[in-house]
Amino acid sequence: NAGVTQTPKFQVLKTGQSMTLQCAQDMNHEYMSWYRQDPGMGLRLIHYSVGAGITDQGEVPNGYNVSRSTTEDFPLRLLSAAPSQTSVYFCASTPGGERSGYTFGSGTRLTVV
Amino acid sequence: EDQVTQSPEALRLQEGESSSLNCSYTVSGLRGLFWYRQDPGKGPEFLFTLYSAGEEKEKERLKATLTKKESFLHITAPKPEDSATYLCAVRSHGSSNTGKLIFGQGTTLQVKP
Repeated sequence: NAGVTQTPKFQVLKTGQSMTLQCAQDMNHEYMSWYRQDPGMGLRLIHYSVGAGITDQGEVPNGYNVSRSTTEDFPLRLLSAAPSQTSVYFCASTPGGERSGYTFGSGTRLTVV
Repeated sequence: EDQVTQSPEALRLQEGESSSLNCSYTVSGLRGLFWYRQDPGKGPEFLFTLYSAGEEKEKERLKATLTKKESFLHITAPKPEDSATYLCAVRSHGSSNTGKLIFGQGTTLQVKP
């Protein structure tokens, strides 16, 4: 049982490049989310999904796309990277239910130059 | 607007010196308050969920309590291995079907031997 797996762990992009951050969970959780963590800003929600085929925007969605074709996978796509997207990205999942905790991945540290 | 404020931003303790971390929140109908621990370079690790005022949860040297306006994380006789950033997050009534969390900025705890 691996939990939430994120790849890659580190990435450097040039401005304007695109890439996909991968997230997979093996716990059969319905809910998955992407957060970014910046110094002094805390964790902010980018996009979330309540099940396969269903996604919605969070607090800071601009410049990012998501899809959820399976329960297990929830990739985050950067369309045209900008220096403002330099951050640490975390994927999280939960089975739902009001007392259920969220399981986070180990993060992807992204630098856009 | 849902909001979470944690204090202090940083806390330094001597080993064995008990203290408390505060999480104040304003939310439109609380549907869960979550405490996480985050070690440098890692994802947040779930500690507790509190759901109703008066509720308490304990784990080793940590005890979390909840009132209608705030939550406290009490650390009794801390050890150096308790050093980490502690994050508080809330889920509101409006987000109860989405899995969305609002995070505070965290309290960084350092316990010196």
